[in-house]
Amino acid sequence: ILNVEQSPQSLHVQEGDSTNFTCSFPSSNFYALHWYRWETAKSPEALFVMTLNGDEKKKGRISATLNTKEGYSYLYIKGSQPEDSATYLCAFFTGTASKLTFGTGTRLQVTL
Amino acid sequence: DGGITQSPKYLFRKEGQNVTLSCEQNLNHDAMYWYRQDPGQGLRLIYYSQIVNDFQKGDIAEGYSVSREKKESFPLTVTSAQKNPTAFYLCASSPPGTRTIGELFFGEGSRLTVL
Repeated sequence: ILNVEQSPQSLHVQEGDSTNFTCSFPSSNFYALHWYRWETAKSPEALFVMTLNGDEKKKGRISATLNTKEGYSYLYIKGSQPEDSATYLCAFFTGTASKLTFGTGTRLQVTL
Repeated sequence: DGGITQSPKYLFRKEGQNVTLSCEQNLNHDAMYWYRQDPGQGLRLIYYSQIVNDFQKGDIAEGYSVSREKKESFPLTVTSAQKNPTAFYLCASSPPGTRTIGELFFGEGSRLTVL
């Protein structure tokens, strides 16, 4: 069973703070790493799909980096806003059986 | 608008009854998936289908069944054999990929409570 770990489990920041989370995954048999944002009462939505070691992706104030050799990815949020409050999930794909293995998520709460 | 529709959003059933959760997509995606979420755990794959009339067991398929008679539809039946059916269920689809899986598009989920 693949182990995908996310830390911290939860995070509470103030508006304007920058923050980051970690996703750790097995460094062998890497094909792709996904990040999703899941707001309460909504569908999870994809932020990034990362496939190359050293990859950096950015969408607005959110960015992610990938290190496949050591098995981790960071998600950064610059200048957090209340609308960033959500659970952020990462998911690891080994290329077999068409399935992603999800971490338990980091729950972010941004207050004014 | 294109997307994935799950129904019902909330469902209560008595122990021993089978329950079917609906999942419909109009994204023209070939692959569809069912995940289960329990508190403190990551999403776990129940079943997936890469093409019509074909589906594969995921990590926790016991006590569940699916069908894929149409590209747009992938219903999940929670049978009485599922020991702990109370959970939140998410359906997803993804566009075809080559060596890697494309991003997943999710429905809003169905919460099943077995009394």
